[in-house]
Amino acid sequence: DIQMTQSPSTLSASVGDRVTITCRASQSVTTWLAWYQHKPGKAPKLLIYKASTLEGGVPSRFSGSGSGTEFTLTISSLQPDDFATYYCQQYHSYFTFGPGTKVDIK
Amino acid sequence: QVQLQESGPGLVKPSETLSLTCTVSGVSSSSNYWSWIRQSPGRGLEWIGYIYYSGNTKYNPSLRSRVTMSIDTPKNQFSLKLKSVTAADTAVYYCADGGSHFGYWGQGTLVTVSS
Repeated sequence: DIQMTQSPSTLSASVGDRVTITCRASQSVTTWLAWYQHKPGKAPKLLIYKASTLEGGVPSRFSGSGSGTEFTLTISSLQPDDFATYYCQQYHSYFTFGPGTKVDIK
Repeated sequence: QVQLQESGPGLVKPSETLSLTCTVSGVSSSSNYWSWIRQSPGRGLEWIGYIYYSGNTKYNPSLRSRVTMSIDTPKNQFSLKLKSVTAADTAVYYCADGGSHFGYWGQGTLVTVSS
């Protein structure tokens, strides 16, 4: 099994801040990695796939990078709508998700 | 616009079978992979399995012995059956499109396993 970890587990930030979330895989997933945004009671939303490809309709303030075992999701300027929990997911071998990073208001 | 909606009982007794259906609109189910994913406080997000429109399936090895998925393309629906449930199967169950990353998800349905 490929295990995914994320850091930090919680992140307090203000509107306008640059935010970076890290995701690590227990073995290489090359670039088969996706990022999701999830708000309570709503369907998770795909933000990025193949490590750095922005899903259609997703604002350009979101970006992804990395390969192998280490990946980052960056929000260049945090907006009020961005307070949510973010998950990474590998699809190199089966599918596993990270435990999530909650971005809340400082 | 693609929409997915889960339906099924919200309460299942231990040792019984959990059955859920996902209704797809905005796209034909005969064109994609369709997945089930669940989320519980103890296990986070867990992929259960997917079914291709042809009926081919792939299941999470940890659940494989208890999972069956099926698809009804004329009705644009696909289904999940999880047998011999325990309290550990209590979770929000999501259906989603995709066999790699998941572009569209349903809102999720809470299934509680309790007598």
